[in-house]
Amino acid sequence: AQSVTQPDIHITVSEGASLELRCNYSYGATPYLFWYVQSPGQGLQLLLKYFSGDTLVQGIKGFEAEFKRSQSSFNLRKPSVHWSDAAEYFCAVGAGAMKTSYDKVIFGPGTSLSVIP
Amino acid sequence: DVKVTQSSRYLVKRTGEKVFLECVQDMDHENMFWYRQDPGLGLRLIYFSYDVKMKEKGDIPEGYSVSREKKERFSLILESASTNQTSMYLCASRREWALNYEQYFGPGTRLTVT
Repeated sequence: AQSVTQPDIHITVSEGASLELRCNYSYGATPYLFWYVQSPGQGLQLLLKYFSGDTLVQGIKGFEAEFKRSQSSFNLRKPSVHWSDAAEYFCAVGAGAMKTSYDKVIFGPGTSLSVIP
Repeated sequence: DVKVTQSSRYLVKRTGEKVFLECVQDMDHENMFWYRQDPGLGLRLIYFSYDVKMKEKGDIPEGYSVSREKKERFSLILESASTNQTSMYLCASRREWALNYEQYFGPGTRLTVT
């Protein structure tokens, strides 16, 4: 069965420091991978996605993620964190061919990011 | 601008009450979803609907039902609320056959059952 793990429950970084949030997945075929962000009191917003092609994908708000098949990982990075990046981050994997209405997205448990001014 | 709205941000209900959570999207999306969000568990799919009057069980459908009579509206129903259904409930929608498969989320309803 498909699954997603995010090893870090909570991370604290200083403003201006670099950030890496870890994500590992379990899936038998080529995965469809996503990173979502949830700001306090808000719904989830898509940061970026990987379907195929270049393994380094760029997203919104200066985030990027790298797909590494050999490590079953899809880590999220940002070179310089801003105070407004404090939020909950969810990694997700598409289960199924992602071509029909029945295809689901499975979410990881989330990583909470705090930013110290 | 894309928008998914949920009828309440906060809701307090008593054990045994029937609870309705409403979700409306204005994007003419075919697919709609109800998730439950709990700390350390991420989002878990309760039900989804791929078209009007069509529904499929997700991973944790027990104790819930849904209704989709119109394309823009997807309702989650707790027939008899219990304390273990205290949680954050998120609604989402998605255009079928969309190239990016992106789901658009509402702000969530935090339900407390006492």
